[in-house]
Amino acid sequence: DIQMTQSPSSLSASVRDRVTITCQASQDIGKYLNWYQHKPGKAPELLIYDASNLETGVPSRFSGSGSGTDFTFTISSLQPEDIATYYCQQYDNPPYTFGQGTNLEIK
Amino acid sequence: EVQLVESGGGLVQPGGSLRLSCAASGFTFSSYAMTWVRQAPGKGLQWVSVISGRTGSTDYADSVKGRFTISRDNSKNTLYLQMNSLRADDTAVYYCAKGARAEAGIRDPLSSWGQGTLVTVSS
Repeated sequence: DIQMTQSPSSLSASVRDRVTITCQASQDIGKYLNWYQHKPGKAPELLIYDASNLETGVPSRFSGSGSGTDFTFTISSLQPEDIATYYCQQYDNPPYTFGQGTNLEIK
Repeated sequence: EVQLVESGGGLVQPGGSLRLSCAASGFTFSSYAMTWVRQAPGKGLQWVSVISGRTGSTDYADSVKGRFTISRDNSKNTLYLQMNSLRADDTAVYYCAKGARAEAGIRDPLSSWGQGTLVTVSS
């Protein structure tokens, strides 16, 4: 199985800060990488698919980059409503594993 | 509007069985792969199983292979997860999720999710 290593596991930042999360795959997954946002008690939401494509309706402050084994997720200007846990997920080969998550808090 | 509503969760004893359902609406159900993802208490998301739209091809996480069976009834717009030989570590909120692209097969981002149903395995 492909292992996804996400870092950091938790992050505290101020409103309007630039926030970056990284995700590393244990083998080359091309661009088959998604990013999700999950708020407590809510359904997870797809933010970025195919490493860098913004899902329809998602604010442009969210972005993704990378290919192969190394990927980055960025919030350009953190907003209070962005408090959530963020997950990467590979879908190159099943099982389509998730990273362990990054818990984002406001400082 | 896409709607996914899970049901069938509850308390079950170790070794028992449970069948989860996910009622779908707002899209052409048969055209999209569907996935089950779970989240154990205090843990992250774990991918469980996927089924393609029309051919019904499936795949499973190693931890559930041989115990869980994913299926779908395209005439009823419903996804299922039959869970047998349940263990304490199967305790989780189970989400169903819809693939992003019609006719994409199982290799597909998860564009819409339900609210989840809680399964508790305990004596």
